[in-house]
Amino acid sequence: AQRVTQPEKLLSVFKGAPVELKCNYSYSGSPELFWYVQYSRQRLQLLLRHISRESIKGFTADLNKGETSFHLKKPFAQEEDSAMYYCALRGSGTYKYIFGTGTRLKVLA
Amino acid sequence: DADVTQTPRNRITKTGKRIMLECSQTKGHDRMYWYRQDPGLGLRLIYYSFDVKDINKGEISDGYSVSRQAQAKFSLSLESAIPNQTALYFCATSDPHGQGSWTGELFFGEGSRLTVL
Repeated sequence: AQRVTQPEKLLSVFKGAPVELKCNYSYSGSPELFWYVQYSRQRLQLLLRHISRESIKGFTADLNKGETSFHLKKPFAQEEDSAMYYCALRGSGTYKYIFGTGTRLKVLA
Repeated sequence: DADVTQTPRNRITKTGKRIMLECSQTKGHDRMYWYRQDPGLGLRLIYYSFDVKDINKGEISDGYSVSRQAQAKFSLSLESAIPNQTALYFCATSDPHGQGSWTGELFFGEGSRLTVL
């Protein structure tokens, strides 16, 4: 079955601490993986996609096909990183997206 | 700026009432989606449309219907609302045929919060 799992509903860290939001997926083909972020009172927006292998706002995510994971990392969390983060998968050759249940990140002062 | 607009932003209704949520976009995208967001369940796909004549059910389409009136408009209807349809509803668009390489990105509206009493 196609599935995206985000095991943590809530992750609280102190400002300046490292952050890792976990994402595991189940998909039989070659998926594309994304991270979307929803800041308070704002719409969902794309943060990262695995194809671009870029760093956005200090966040990076590496696709590990062996472990079927796409964890989101940042070495030093900032208060403005507090938001809801969703991992999403798009199956190859399709235009359907599967979202995880989301992780709320709280960065404490 | 090209945008995805949802109306209404908030709606409270009673069980059994018919409700329509509207989505319009000025991005010129072909593909439009309706998602439902529930705490602890994330975003779940209700319906999606690849063009005016192509509408497809998502994973939770029961109790919902849609209409793609034009490329820019995609409406979601609840024919007879029930309390467990209380949720935040998102419209999204994507455009694999746009100029340049497709990023696979979904563009979301601001959401429509529906409460069914």
